[in-house]
Amino acid sequence: DSGVTQTPKHLITATGQRVTLRCSPRSGDLSVYWYQQSLDQGLQFLIQYYNGEERAKGNILERFSAQQFPDLHSELNLSSLELGDSALYFCASSVGLAGSQETQYFGPGTRLLVL
Amino acid sequence: TQLLEQSPQFLSIQEGENLTVYCNSSSVFSSLQWYRQEPGEGPVLLVTVVTGGEVKKLKRLTFQFGDARKDSSLHITAAQPGDTGLYLCAALDNYGQNFVFGPGTRLSVLP
Repeated sequence: DSGVTQTPKHLITATGQRVTLRCSPRSGDLSVYWYQQSLDQGLQFLIQYYNGEERAKGNILERFSAQQFPDLHSELNLSSLELGDSALYFCASSVGLAGSQETQYFGPGTRLLVL
Repeated sequence: TQLLEQSPQFLSIQEGENLTVYCNSSSVFSSLQWYRQEPGEGPVLLVTVVTGGEVKKLKRLTFQFGDARKDSSLHITAAQPGDTGLYLCAALDNYGQNFVFGPGTRLSVLP
């Protein structure tokens, strides 16, 4: 158990819909990262927040957005869903900002299936 | 854009065999990390290597960072079924802001 929690574990929805994925970081961690993992794309970095502020953006679509709240939990919002958005979505947390010595702790993921 | 390549893509071996998997790039990295991901779970950090030529050991796993800090290898001695999983390498991007992951090597160790 990494200490990072993600809900829901599974999500099935239809194209065009909107969903919200939730992540609670490890106690004391200020950074939250979101990743998408699909069979053809591997693990892709989406976005990072540090203490409530957006710090880095990766391959995140405009239909996707995220935020980190004052209690440090984070939500990833996916809208106008397409079949290709079906994937595993992971949240990770770390104490500080991404760095060579920083350890990211991954949650168990949310498996999203868009039908 | 940095690109991490991993080989082989798939590897199926018998318990007790040795194996090596590789992570390569044309870019120089300040550090490189190895993760193992088991089915239905998130990746778990195994090691971080920082210095060119560095060798780190974790029980039966030996990690090496290339002298030029462009590549790394993971050697497993006497593999066990519990070693089964997806092995991912990751490195910080050029801006030092986020980690780029390789496509992974999917290892299956048969009893």
